Amino acid sequence: GESVGLHLPTLSVQEGDNSIINCAYSNSASDYFIWYKQESGKGPQFIIDIRSNMDKRQGQRVTVLLNKTVKHLSLQIAATQPGDSAVYFCAENREGGADGLTFGKGTHLIIQP
Amino acid sequence: EPEVTQTPSHQVTQMGQEVILRCVPISNHLYFYWYRQILGQKVEFLVSFYNNEISEKSEIFDDQFSVERPDGSNFTLKIRSTKLEDSAMYFCASSEPNRADTQYFGPGTRLTVL
Repeated sequence: GESVGLHLPTLSVQEGDNSIINCAYSNSASDYFIWYKQESGKGPQFIIDIRSNMDKRQGQRVTVLLNKTVKHLSLQIAATQPGDSAVYFCAENREGGADGLTFGKGTHLIIQP
Repeated sequence: EPEVTQTPSHQVTQMGQEVILRCVPISNHLYFYWYRQILGQKVEFLVSFYNNEISEKSEIFDDQFSVERPDGSNFTLKIRSTKLEDSAMYFCASSEPNRADTQYFGPGTRLTVL
């Protein structure tokens, strides 16, 4: 089975609302997590990362939460805009390691006008 | 802002032919990667490369695949005898020496095998 996965293949929200995208992981050895955004026809774009010594990290309009107890992380996007429409992937790695990332299947975020 | 570039953006080939996909990683990065994404599926790791040798590879990366850093800027993925199931987006990524775990991706090459 896969190590990292997302709960919903598609999430539709109204423009201006907040969205939460969830991800579950199963590899206890993973201690570094990244959220990527992939727009149609483009490569994954780094959004935000979090290391296992943290449970929350904030960026511009985005917040990542990590719950190591239940092996769950989430990406919160505040005040969604049309440009936020994309597929969002979580990925895991060992902190500091140059290993291959393990990606989840992705959640397609659709912003309704 | 520096970024990973890839060429070509789209490659069409006949089954059994060899293809070479090219990448120019971010200039100060030392770790390089190839991933693939079959249409509608998740991104899958193929291989990582550091100090002119493969450091890790997945089970997808069989003997049909090879990677090379022919000069100081390019990083290539060669598929010797393409199969229909090799049709996918291929992404190159790179990471810097002090933040090897944070990988930055190129725009991808769409490979279509007919």
